[in-house]
Order: sequence, then structure tokens, then C-alpha cells
Amino acid sequence: DAKTTQPTSMDCAEGRAANLPCNHSTISGNEYVYWYRQIHSQGPQYIIHGLKNNETNEMASLIITEDRKSSTLILPHATLRDTAVYYCIVGRPPNFGNEKLTFGTGTRLTIIP
Amino acid sequence: ETGVTQSPTHLIKTRGQQVTLRCSSQSGHNTVSWYQQALGQGPQFIFQYYREEENGRGNFPPRFSGLQFPNYSSELNVNALELDDSALYLCASSPREAYGYTFGSGTRLTVV
Repeated sequence: DAKTTQPTSMDCAEGRAANLPCNHSTISGNEYVYWYRQIHSQGPQYIIHGLKNNETNEMASLIITEDRKSSTLILPHATLRDTAVYYCIVGRPPNFGNEKLTFGTGTRLTIIP
Repeated sequence: ETGVTQSPTHLIKTRGQQVTLRCSSQSGHNTVSWYQQALGQGPQFIFQYYREEENGRGNFPPRFSGLQFPNYSSELNVNALELDDSALYLCASSPREAYGYTFGSGTRLTVV
């Protein structure tokens, strides 16, 4: 069962920042927060991950609250190509091995021209 | 460019038949996982292979089986196909301690 809660859908204007929230109130101490997205008819694409510090890469920023019970994925300047389903996943670090990703139903983000 | 190639892209099978789906991952990606994605749902974990051995399994019956080969390719086999097996089947690979998996574009299986 998915251990995260996300809104079903969101809209964002092109060029604006898209902020996608995720609740993971039962996250345990060694679990990471991972974000993937799935564009129609493609496989999921890894975006970013974090443990407790905020993270940024070329695709997005991840803000994790101090109590780690929620996080926000930020796409700073959304484009039409960012229209996709975004999945927030909690899981163990990869050196545990046997790491499966437990997907929920995600947030369907639509970028409006 | 994904680096993970799956074949075929689409397939239609009859209930009761057997099917083999294939995945070719990047060199050095010694961990491969398979997922089933029903329409409108998130992907569901089927199993994972590491160095050619099964390394974890989701809630799928034994008629779902797999293989991983030394050249980093892998197969998903499904016997006695049922209508509910109709789904997108995704292969994901990574080096052992990578934080992110690389997914293929999937095989769309339709069972009639």
C-alpha cells in the first residue's frame, strides 16, 4: 500500500512555478522521499530524491519539512512538456537491496498555455 | 533517451496462452525490476532481479516468473494468461546502489 497522499490533479500556468505537495506522515527514519513522473505512454522518469535536507537538481527542487511528514516538489518554470502524472514515493536507501517502489495514483499535473 | 529498451511495444494474446516480454538495460545496471501498470493506476511491483537471482517479489502469483541474463537483459514470463493481466508492463534497471531507476517505455499487453 502506498504510504503517501497526493492531490489527484493540479493545474499550473506555463512559465510559473508548479508546487506539488505530498504527505508522508508515517515515514520512518531511514526512508527517503523519491519523486518520479510519467508522461503519457512512457515509463516513469526519476526526478529527485531526499532524506531530510532540501535538494535541487537540473529538473526540480525538493523541500522536505523539518518533521519529514510532508514534502513539496517544485518545478521552477513549468513548460507544456511538464504535463504528466507525478508520483511521490517513500522507500529505503538503495544499499538495502531489494528496493521496490510503491507507487500510489499520483498527481496529474496539467500545464496551461 | 531512456537506455532501457523493451520489446515488443504492443502485444495481443488469448486467455490461457503464455507470453514472454523482454528488456535490455544499460551496461552496469545489475538490478532489474518489473512492474505492472493497469489503466489509470500507478505501477505495481512484480519482482526484482540482482545478479541473475530473484531478489524480492510483490503480490503476484507464481505464473509470473522472470530471468536475468549476464548481459543485463531480462525476461518476464506470464503463463495461463487471464483477462486481468491486460496492462502496461514496465522494466526498470539501475546500478545496485543508485537512487533512481531508469524505466523503459513498456510493453502494452492485451489479453482477449
